[in-house]
Amino acid sequence: AQTVTQSQPEMSVQEAETVTLSCTYDTSENNYYLFWYKQPPSRQMILVIRQEAYKQQNATENRFSVNFQKAAKSFSLKISDSQLGDTAMYFCAFMKFKANSGYALNFGKGTSLLVTP
Amino acid sequence: DGGITQSPKYLFRKEGQNVTLSCEQNLNHDAMYWYRQDPGQGLRLIYYSQIVNDFQKGDIAEGYSVSREKKESFPLTVTSAQKNPTAFYLCASSIPDRADTQYFGPGTRLTVL
Repeated sequence: AQTVTQSQPEMSVQEAETVTLSCTYDTSENNYYLFWYKQPPSRQMILVIRQEAYKQQNATENRFSVNFQKAAKSFSLKISDSQLGDTAMYFCAFMKFKANSGYALNFGKGTSLLVTP
Repeated sequence: DGGITQSPKYLFRKEGQNVTLSCEQNLNHDAMYWYRQDPGQGLRLIYYSQIVNDFQKGDIAEGYSVSREKKESFPLTVTSAQKNPTAFYLCASSIPDRADTQYFGPGTRLTVL
C-alpha cells in the first residue's frame, strides 16, 4: 500500500515570503502521479500542481513549484511570493492505478498554512 | 457552467437512520469517486465507479452503499451500519484519458445527532 506523510501539521509565513511544504511517500511502483491540493476554509479541494513520476523536470505553476526527488521519495511544494489567499490546508497526494480503487488518490494528513500580513 | 454539485451542504441524521448524499456532474466524466474527510486527516476513498452500472469498494466502504444508474449521478447512502458517520464527504470525477486529474465537488457535512 502507498503511504503519504506530511510531517508539518502547521506552518506560517509572512506575506511575500517563500515557504516550502514537505511530503514523503512510500511506494514500490515506478510509474505514478503526485499532486498538491489546496483546501481553503470553503473546503473546496483545488488542484495546485501535478507531477508525473516519469518526468525528471520539476513541475511549476506560476508561484507554485515542486522539488521532486524520486529516489528519496520526496515531493515538496514551494510557494513563492506568498499571498493572504494562500492560507489553506495543503494536501499531498499519490495516484497509481490499482485494480481495487481505480485511479483513486491517496492523501497525506495535510499541512495547515497561515499567511500573515 | 460545467461542474460537480453536491447536496445538501449540511445534513443532520439521527442514529439508526439511513441518509443519501447527492453527487451530480455535467462534465461528461465516466469515473466518479466518494471520499470521506475527518478532522486532521486527509481524504479516504469510500467507493468509486469507472462506468455506469459498475462500482467498486474503496478503503473504507463498510456501512456505505452507492449506485451508478446514470453517468451524471453517483449517490452515496450512509447506512445505520456506519458506526461513526459524522464527517465531511467529497465527491470527485475524472475522464478516463485524464484520470490523473480529479475534479471535486463542494462537499457535504454530515452530522449524526
